[in-house]
Parts: sequence; structure tokens; C-alpha cells
Amino acid sequence: DGGITQSPKYLFRKEGQNVTLSCEQNLNHDAMYWYRQDPGQGLRLIYYSQIVNDFQKGDIAEGYSVSREKKESFPLTVTSAQKNPTAFYLCASNKGPENGYTFGSGTRLTVV
Amino acid sequence: EDQVTQSPEALRLQEGESSSLNCSYTVSGLRGLFWYRQDPGKGPEFLFTLYSAGEEKEKERLKATLTKKESFLHITAPKPEDSATYLCALISGTYKYIFGTGTRLKVLA
Repeated sequence: DGGITQSPKYLFRKEGQNVTLSCEQNLNHDAMYWYRQDPGQGLRLIYYSQIVNDFQKGDIAEGYSVSREKKESFPLTVTSAQKNPTAFYLCASNKGPENGYTFGSGTRLTVV
Repeated sequence: EDQVTQSPEALRLQEGESSSLNCSYTVSGLRGLFWYRQDPGKGPEFLFTLYSAGEEKEKERLKATLTKKESFLHITAPKPEDSATYLCALISGTYKYIFGTGTRLKVLA
């Protein structure tokens, strides 16, 4: 079955460390997205990519970076510049701009 | 400003007690409205897409409806397994995807 795979499920980051969250999809979707979810807040867009080798900043891109070298893969790096990285991170994809999302199962990142 | 507001924030129902969740919105040109279900510690699961006022979609005990100002998710005779957070989202005229903060539903046996 097609879907989105996020790994790892849980991730712990030390102060000053960069960490990378993996997102892979086999749905043949062109567009992929990274969201951050915090308690009591709606999902907030970090970065999105509508085509390979191209991506745009979302509403809260500071302290994050992405790449889109393959259609299937859209990894997110949380850099040491992100001051409050503890959150639940969700990767999503869709067929086109007017379609609903397919989400991955999420990565919970905790700063230790 | 484009905005999505969901109410109530939390809802407790007895098994079999039907109710509705509300998603009100202000947007410049609605391109689509979506409902998702999210279980704790998991990613949201797509439920419905509605594109125009008057449209309705059904799936098992759930029915989604849309007007020009709001959408309702009606839950008929809910069961404990329907307990989850239900998220509403929309795509604006400028293709901005906006999520509400969700309604946490608890169905008691």
C-alpha cells in the first residue's frame, strides 16, 4: 500500500546539535510538506516543495532546512538555530494544490 | 484575514449520543474544505473534502456538510472508537492551506 513513512518515531536532541527527520513517500505525489504541531495550536507550515529541486519557506522556517533531491524524499533538518524545537513533526504530501493531504505518522522531537 | 475556528474545543458524549462539530471560516475564495481525524501520537487521517456550499459527504457514522460560512461534522450514534481529535482545514483563494486547532472528542461507553 502507498503511504508516507517518517522516521524515527522519537528523537532526542542535545543543545547545539543538528538533527534530521526522514520523510519518504511512494504515492507519486509531486508536493510534499513539513508541519509542526504543538499542543493547543493548529498545524504550522515549516517548508513545502511542489517539485524536485525546489522548495519554499512556510510560516515558521527559521531554524529549519530541507532538501528535495528525489521526488520520494523530503528530509527536514532541525538546526541548532531553532530555539524551541521540542514538538511533534508531521510530513505530508498531496497530488496537487486543491487536494487533501496524506500524512505520515509523525516524529516527536525532544530537546534533552 | 483568512481564518478557521473550530468549536467546541472538547466534547464528551455518551455512546449513541449524536452531536455535531463546527468549523467556521472566513476566507477570500474557498477552494476546498477538509476534515481529518487524528489519534493521539499519530498523523491526521483524511476523512472528507467539500468544495461548494450545499455539498455533503458521508462515511459510516460521520457526515460532513458545508455552507458559505461554516462546515459541520455530524456524528450519529457514536462509539468509543470514534474518540479522537477532529481537524478542519481549508485552502484559500491564494492556495494557502489553513488548519483549525481541532475538537477533541471523547465517547464514553
